[in-house]
Amino acid sequence: DQQVKQNSPSLSVQEGRISILNCDYTNSMFDYFLWYKKYPAEGPTFLISISSIKDKNEDGRFTVFLNKSAKHLSLHIVPSQPGDSAVYFCAASAGTGRRALTFGSGTRLQVQP
Amino acid sequence: GAVVSQHPSRVICKSGTSVKIECRSLDFQATTMFWYRQFPKQSLMLMATSNEGSKATYEQGVEKDKFLINHASLTLSTLTVTSAHPEDSSFYICSARRMDRSQNTGELFFGEGSRLTVL
Repeated sequence: DQQVKQNSPSLSVQEGRISILNCDYTNSMFDYFLWYKKYPAEGPTFLISISSIKDKNEDGRFTVFLNKSAKHLSLHIVPSQPGDSAVYFCAASAGTGRRALTFGSGTRLQVQP
Repeated sequence: GAVVSQHPSRVICKSGTSVKIECRSLDFQATTMFWYRQFPKQSLMLMATSNEGSKATYEQGVEKDKFLINHASLTLSTLTVTSAHPEDSSFYICSARRMDRSQNTGELFFGEGSRLTVL
């Protein structure tokens, strides 16, 4: 039973345009959400996060939106750059402290020059 | 920023042998480290939670006698794949939670990953 779902395995966007990556979750106990970027044969690197008490968090070109009622979050990248091409994982945790993260299956973003 | 380092990054071994992977937090102490495994084109799956000074907590379906975890210090956790078989070939990634910074945010810092190939 996948608690965090990324239904789009891949996304292709033109350079300069907006990239929107989506994520859905089923566990209502999740209260902290994160996006990670991953290149092949490397560990994930943290991008941006959002607490369940917020509905938006922005950091430069990256914005994460959270819709708690729909159990949905999205990552917006604008403008998209070729260097953004990677696999993006949505992750969630329940409670603070020493909790592990539950990851989605990832979305491969390809930004075309 | 915080750095978590894994070693080795790649390892090839024969079936039946054991392989040890190290995970170190380089500039912070981590009482808890997590070990994930990723198969090609799949998500990162949590294998176990490594607790400094105590036994690891394994996820359902993960054999604790096969995947030995030792967290002997606040900066080092090791994963030993014992009697490795080809189906153990995977990308293993460790992560650590920085106590003084990410305790209340849920952010984990990840190692570079270790690709294990069992022949």
